[in-house]
Amino acid sequence: GAVVSQHPSRVICKSGTSVKIECRSLDFQATTMFWYRQFPKKSLMLMATSNEGSKATYEQGVEKDKFLINHASLTLSTLTVTSAHPEDSSFYICSADRTVDEQYFGPGTRLTVT
Amino acid sequence: AQKVTQAQTEISVVEKEDVTLDCVYETRDTTYYLFWYKQPPSGELVFLIRRNSFDEQNEISGRYSWNFQKSTSSFNFTITASQVVDSAVYFCALKGGAGGTSYGKLTFGQGTILTVHP
Repeated sequence: GAVVSQHPSRVICKSGTSVKIECRSLDFQATTMFWYRQFPKKSLMLMATSNEGSKATYEQGVEKDKFLINHASLTLSTLTVTSAHPEDSSFYICSADRTVDEQYFGPGTRLTVT
Repeated sequence: AQKVTQAQTEISVVEKEDVTLDCVYETRDTTYYLFWYKQPPSGELVFLIRRNSFDEQNEISGRYSWNFQKSTSSFNFTITASQVVDSAVYFCALKGGAGGTSYGKLTFGQGTILTVHP
């Protein structure tokens, strides 16, 4: 089956630094990828839609300057958490659409900001 | 706007019991897709099933079965003869189809924490 990878799986960073998370579709091209955030014992909340070759579309309440998304190729989308703070600590998950009804999720990245 | 409601926050059962996880959805789209995912403690989402709005046929896969009722906007999930390994968080999700206002966007329910005791 299709595989989506995320790197890193875990990251600990100091407050004020930036962290980049990569999401790759390994065996199909994805013009659209999505980024989700999940707090402990909570649901997944869509943060933004990443479109290859164009600007990402952010959901209401998500700071685009805080969470920079780049979708430079059909197999790679990156999420950069800029000037991270402890409240940004969370589980971040990406997904890539193979077709409209077929999406594949990455394994997630656990970010801890100290 | 889309909405998915999983009213059961936590369910606790003893092994071999049957358990049903409820899911009710709201959408204005004519075409949409429904999903169930399992999330074990590792965090990785495990795909269980996908259903499109035009296919109300119920499905059985081993100990798992799904009941899609468009009339009540429900897509319930039943585990028969539960096992300890079934313990996880289960999410129901809804995705808008072509031509709809929520095209391509996946909305998750709040999740149900299932604990199966030996």
